[in-house]
Amino acid sequence: GQNIDQPTEMTATEGAIVQINCTYQTSGFNGLFWYQQHAGEAPTFLSYNVLDGLEEKGRFSSFLSRSKGYSYLLLKELQMKDSASYLCAVGGTGGSYIPTFGRGTSLIVHP
Amino acid sequence: GAVVSQHPSWVICKSGTSVKIECRSLDFQATTMFWYRQFPKQSLMLMATSNEGSKATYEQGVEKDKFLINHASLTLSTLTVTSAHPEDSSFYICSARGQVNSYEQYFGPGTRLTVT
Repeated sequence: GQNIDQPTEMTATEGAIVQINCTYQTSGFNGLFWYQQHAGEAPTFLSYNVLDGLEEKGRFSSFLSRSKGYSYLLLKELQMKDSASYLCAVGGTGGSYIPTFGRGTSLIVHP
Repeated sequence: GAVVSQHPSWVICKSGTSVKIECRSLDFQATTMFWYRQFPKQSLMLMATSNEGSKATYEQGVEKDKFLINHASLTLSTLTVTSAHPEDSSFYICSARGQVNSYEQYFGPGTRLTVT
């Protein structure tokens, strides 16, 4: 089975940097996803890591350590619109890639 | 590109009635579509996976006779909640994947179902 753990809620100030951690214990692993979800909306894809290391994409970066079962999403230059839930998800085994989602971290950005 | 739509965006129905939710891939052919359910402040839970022209694969604990899934074409999948009860009230989200063995899936905007 899959066990994915991430903090329930975080707060940060506009313009700051925030790191959202995710740890996982899975019977199989086929990559780690991060999604952003605004309230009442569907998730939008942010990143997919399959190899160890940091991948940077604009203001957002994602890191993966497979040996530690650990990932983080780094958000720089925070904006008010970044207030959302951030979902960590582990991809399924084989060719399925079907992600199993964590509960999500609710990020509140305040002025 | 890669737009997925859902209809309706929200629906209120009475207990005991059935509700059909449509999921369409607008600009690509979806080899696989997924149905998720999300309760407030909870994670997205995969309900079932459907491939065009074949029976859906349901996750453990999801009643296939209650949640009927039809994937009649490469651009349309429907989820019918039969004999709905208040505990079925949730946010239902579909997603679609264009290529087999691809990690990319595109989510629809979701359908908020409220059963009274």
